[in-house]
Amino acid sequence: AQSVTQLGSHVSVSEGALVLLRCNYSSSVPPYLFWYVQYPNQGLQLLLKYTTGATLVKGINGFEAEFKKSETSFHLTKPSAHMSDAAEYFCAVTLGGSQGNLIFGKGTKLSVKP
Amino acid sequence: NAGVTQTPKFQVLKTGQSMTLQCAQDMNHEYMSWYRQDPGMGLRLIHYSVGAGITDQGEVPNGYNVSRSTTEDFPLRLLSAAPSQTSVYFCASSQKMGASPLHFGNGTRLTVT
Repeated sequence: AQSVTQLGSHVSVSEGALVLLRCNYSSSVPPYLFWYVQYPNQGLQLLLKYTTGATLVKGINGFEAEFKKSETSFHLTKPSAHMSDAAEYFCAVTLGGSQGNLIFGKGTKLSVKP
Repeated sequence: NAGVTQTPKFQVLKTGQSMTLQCAQDMNHEYMSWYRQDPGMGLRLIHYSVGAGITDQGEVPNGYNVSRSTTEDFPLRLLSAAPSQTSVYFCASSQKMGASPLHFGNGTRLTVT
């Protein structure tokens, strides 16, 4: 069965520090991978996605993620955190490649300290 | 563009009542889905549709019905509300199932007492 694991339900960083949010997946077929962000009282917005091709994917707001097949990982990074990055972040993977529903991880809440 | 529109934003029900959560999209997307979000649980798929007239169950379908009579609309019906259905419900759509990113509505916060 497909699954997504996000390590750490809460992550706290100082403003200007590196942001690293971890995501591991299990999939029996080549996955499509996504990161979404949710600001308070809003729906989810797409940050970035990996489908095929280059394994380092750049997204909005300075975020990027690298698909590492050998490690079954898709960690999200940003070199320098801003206060506005405080939000909840969700990793998601398709079930069954291009034909599957999105399976979401449980989310990581990012806090940014001044 | 309105994108994905959900109504109502908030709703309080008594146990046993029924109601319909509305979802409409104006992007001509084939795929539509309903998720529920509970603290510490992430988003769990309730039902989905790959086109008008086609619906299927997701991970947590019990207690919910859906229909897709048009491309634009995908209402979610609670048949007999239970306190366990207290949650935030999100409707989402995409061009196609799988590779296309989901576009989310702003959610409906439902409380069942």
